Amino acid sequence: DGGITQSPKYLFRKEGQNVTLSCEQNLNHDAMYWYRQDPGQGLRLIYYSQIVNDFQKGDIAEGYSVSREKKESFPLTVTSAQKNPTAFYLCASSSGLKLFFGSGTQLSVL
Amino acid sequence: AQKVTQAQTEISVVEKEDVTLDCVYETRDTTYYLFWYKQPPSGELVFLIRRNSFDEQNEISGRYSWNFQKSTSSFNFTITASQVVDSAVYFCALGGNYQLIWGAGTKLIIKP
Repeated sequence: DGGITQSPKYLFRKEGQNVTLSCEQNLNHDAMYWYRQDPGQGLRLIYYSQIVNDFQKGDIAEGYSVSREKKESFPLTVTSAQKNPTAFYLCASSSGLKLFFGSGTQLSVL
Repeated sequence: AQKVTQAQTEISVVEKEDVTLDCVYETRDTTYYLFWYKQPPSGELVFLIRRNSFDEQNEISGRYSWNFQKSTSSFNFTITASQVVDSAVYFCALGGNYQLIWGAGTKLIIKP
């Protein structure tokens, strides 16, 4: 089945540690996105990529980094510079204006 | 600045009741799109509808209907004869290519 796969489902980060969230899609979509979701808030865009080897910062890119070496993959690294990383992270891809989402990764700080 | 307001944080109704979720938006753009997405407990958001600013026709899809009114900058979503499976968080969003402005979401609880 076509879709977006995020892993792991749950992730724990120690202070000062970088962690990487995986996002893979087999929908053949050019555009991919990372969103952060905090309780009681809407989604906030971290980074997006319109094409391989290119990506742009969203509204809250500080403390995060991404790469887009393959069309299918758009991993997100939460660096130690992100002081409040606890959140639910959603990866998405788009066909036209319609977004398709993964099932998310819950990141918590130990 | 663009903004989406979903004033209802949580709504709880008994199964088979009708329920309307409100969405009010602000934009200076003359061309824009409005969206509704559903987030069930599993976590992934599911696209429900897209409406462009040129089309104020109301839309009905089964038990779901949407009322878009540019005069009041609103794009409300009604579920008729609600079912337990409709329980989820519903998000309204505004935007166009690559960047959407999201409302805070309305948590809908349908009690059996």
